[in-house]
Amino acid sequence: AQSVTQLGSHVSVSEGALVLLRCNYSSSVPPYLFWYVQYPNQGLQLLLKYTSAATLVKGINGFEAEFKKSETSFHLTKPSAHMSDAAEYFCAVSSETSGSRLTFGEGTQLTVNP
Amino acid sequence: DAGITQSPRHKVTETGTPVTLRCHQTENHRYMYWYRQDPGHGLRLIHYSYGVKDTDKGEVSDGYSVSRSKTEDFLLTLESATSSQTSVYFCAISAPEMAQSSYNSPLHFGNGTRLTVT
Repeated sequence: AQSVTQLGSHVSVSEGALVLLRCNYSSSVPPYLFWYVQYPNQGLQLLLKYTSAATLVKGINGFEAEFKKSETSFHLTKPSAHMSDAAEYFCAVSSETSGSRLTFGEGTQLTVNP
Repeated sequence: DAGITQSPRHKVTETGTPVTLRCHQTENHRYMYWYRQDPGHGLRLIHYSYGVKDTDKGEVSDGYSVSRSKTEDFLLTLESATSSQTSVYFCAISAPEMAQSSYNSPLHFGNGTRLTVT
């Protein structure tokens, strides 16, 4: 079985501050990890994915995430928040045993204050 | 939006009535999925399809059925709607056979259907 835990259902930062959204996973086999973003009244869009090629993954809109096996984590960061980053963010996991089916975390709502 | 259209976008229905949601894709992708999104639960997989007439259950399949008679269409049916099925429903597609690895192909999502069961 695989699962994802996102720490903090709501995160609030000031514009220009560091964004850190936490994701921890559980998987009995090597995981594939994803971050998605959802803007209001829209579907989810892929931000980045970890596929074991490199532990530091760069995504769109200046986001990146680092895979840390020892900590079973895949936290999402961005050095400087923009107002346009306000959205809900989802971490997800798949593996060779789950095939292409993703298991999602509960989501983190990011608020960016001016 | 990766050529995915969900219909209707909004629907209000009464308890006990059947409801069918439609997902249409123009990408010719083999895999299609139905998820529901609820506060505090993220997205949970209802059913998925890995080809025409090939479907399987996800983690929250009770009360739902699906059909896929053509590559481009994946239908989700609530056989007798209940208030607990009030949710936002998302269709997604993927093409694992085209990815570097068949297990890390990302999903592409439609814009969702907001269903209210009164």
